[in-house]
Amino acid sequence: DAGVTQSPTHLIKTRGQQVTLRCSPKSGHDTVSWYQQALGQGPQFIFQYYEEEERQRGNFPDRFSGHQFPNYSSELNVNALLLGDSALYLCASSLGFSGGPYEQYFGPGTRLTVT
Amino acid sequence: DAKTTQPPSMDCAEGRAANLPCNHSTISGNEYVYWYRQIHSQGPQYIIHGLKNNETNEMASLIITEDRKSSTLILPHATLRDTAVYYCIVRAYGGATNKLIFGTGTLLAVQP
Repeated sequence: DAGVTQSPTHLIKTRGQQVTLRCSPKSGHDTVSWYQQALGQGPQFIFQYYEEEERQRGNFPDRFSGHQFPNYSSELNVNALLLGDSALYLCASSLGFSGGPYEQYFGPGTRLTVT
Repeated sequence: DAKTTQPPSMDCAEGRAANLPCNHSTISGNEYVYWYRQIHSQGPQYIIHGLKNNETNEMASLIITEDRKSSTLILPHATLRDTAVYYCIVRAYGGATNKLIFGTGTLLAVQP
């Protein structure tokens, strides 16, 4: 049973560029959440996708956007990269959006460095 | 979601029980207590969750006080591989409440 996978593992970009990060959820999961973790801090919620729609969003600018595909995989896009976007980006999957104390399973993350 | 308070760091001797406390005095009746841990440079790992009864699984035990204002995560026999940041999170369920709000957690250092 495959867990949550993310690609790429590491990425280096230049200020002003755009980046796309990818996530495949755990088998059987239909909900994907994205988190940003700056060095030394806890993960911060970016947004969550269910049924190919953004269902809720954290306090992140519109430069951060996402997409969910019919197979439940997801992409995180960041435009006009800033130095402050350097962080570990985590994808988490879970089952069901309609309720229940469903735990989230995290992938290993993508380390993004903006120079 | 209710706010949680955890000590920034704790030490534990290898083989001994590690008891990690968490205060959540503003917890609501429909909010669960979740514990995750994050080993350096890895994604957070789900450990356990509970509503009001004590819970146990293969990784840990969760003790929630009767008034639900605090809880303790117990690792019965800590090993060096348990060194990690442990996050206590309180979260409601239902509808658009599936996000996790992480604090700064407790850095548990298991000493040989």
